[in-house]
Amino acid sequence: GQNIDQPTEMTATEGAIVQINCTYQTSGFNGLFWYQQHAGEAPTFLSYNVLDGLEEKGRFSSFLSRSKGYSYLLLKELQMKDSASYLCAVRRTGGGNKLTFGTGTQLKVEL
Amino acid sequence: GAGVSQSPSNKVTEKGKDVELRCDPISGHTALYWYRQRLGQGLEFLIYFQGNSAPDKSGLPSDRFSAERTGESVSTLTIQRTQQEDSAVYLCASSPFGLAGILPYEQYFGPGTRLTVT
Repeated sequence: GQNIDQPTEMTATEGAIVQINCTYQTSGFNGLFWYQQHAGEAPTFLSYNVLDGLEEKGRFSSFLSRSKGYSYLLLKELQMKDSASYLCAVRRTGGGNKLTFGTGTQLKVEL
Repeated sequence: GAGVSQSPSNKVTEKGKDVELRCDPISGHTALYWYRQRLGQGLEFLIYFQGNSAPDKSGLPSDRFSAERTGESVSTLTIQRTQQEDSAVYLCASSPFGLAGILPYEQYFGPGTRLTVT
């Protein structure tokens, strides 16, 4: 089976930096995805990590440590529009491309 | 180009009735996925189609749930004898490739169908 854990909620201030953590336990790890989901909308792809290290994409970065079963999503220069749910998802070898999602972290950005 | 579309956007049905949900994937995407998202919960995998291979049905919660896909086009998810616990948003996604490799093969999600069973 698989366990994916994320904090349920986080609050941060506009302009600040926030780190959303995700820990997972799975056999046959084959990649970790981060998705953003605004209320009432479909999830949209943010980042992908399969090798250890940091992937940077504009204001968003994602980090992976396979030995620790740990990832984080780093959001810089927070904007109000970043208020959303952030979903961590894991893909396994032998599972095709299907994903197992965590319950998501609801981020609220305040003034 | 057009994204993934789903219909209906909202469906209210009485307990015990059957419902059919439709998904139109992005043209050319060989893989199609159905997920369920209950209120305040993460996405729960239901079923996965890849080309002409047998679908991965490992996530279907009961035999009341079934899905079909014709070739690499439209898919329908059918829920028979609906129960109140079936109330959720049903999300469909598609991706260009179904095989897992070093590339991300990100999934593109539709807007979902919100199902309410009364």
